[in-house]
Amino acid sequence: AQSVAQPEDQVNVAEGNPLTVKCTYSVSGNPYLFWYVQYPNRGLQFLLKYITGDNLVKGSYGFEAEFNKSQTSFHLKKPSALVSDSALYFCAVRDRDSSYKLIFGSGTRLLVRP
Amino acid sequence: KAGVTQTPRYLIKTRGQQVTLSCSPISGHRSVSWYQQTPGQGLQFLFEYFSETQRNKGNFPGRFSGRQFSNSRSEMNVSTLELGDSALYLCASSLQGQGTYNEQFFGPGTRLTVL
Repeated sequence: AQSVAQPEDQVNVAEGNPLTVKCTYSVSGNPYLFWYVQYPNRGLQFLLKYITGDNLVKGSYGFEAEFNKSQTSFHLKKPSALVSDSALYFCAVRDRDSSYKLIFGSGTRLLVRP
Repeated sequence: KAGVTQTPRYLIKTRGQQVTLSCSPISGHRSVSWYQQTPGQGLQFLFEYFSETQRNKGNFPGRFSGRQFSNSRSEMNVSTLELGDSALYLCASSLQGQGTYNEQFFGPGTRLTVL
């Protein structure tokens, strides 16, 4: 069965500091991995995805994520956080070999303080 | 291109009533998925439609149903509403079905409150 874990309910970081939002996954086959962000009273916005190839994926708004197959992780990172990055972040996984639904993690609230 | 639109944005119903939510995908997108978002359960997959056919279904009771029209627009229906159905219902569209690497584009959601 597919599953996604986001171990931190909230991440606090000062503006200008690097940020990391953690995600680990479990699938029976090979994964497609996604990060989405949700601002208050809004739907989810796509940030980036891993399909294959380079383990470091670059996405929107300066975010990037590193795929680590041995640790089954796909952590979201940004070198320098902005106050406007404060939002709810979701990691999602799809098992490419079984064409099943997209499974989301529980979400991590990122709070960037000025 | 216009994004995914959902109507209505807000809805208040009472227990036992039924409700229909509407979703218009991005032009050219043939896959539409529905999700329920609640503080306690997070984002849960309801179902996915592709070319008017339901291809995937989540673990929800039969009170939750949907359909997709030939223009890819989709509707979701919940009958005999319960208090626990109060949630944000999100619709997402993508170029192809769930089994591909295409990302999904989400609408703003419909906030359903059941009294």
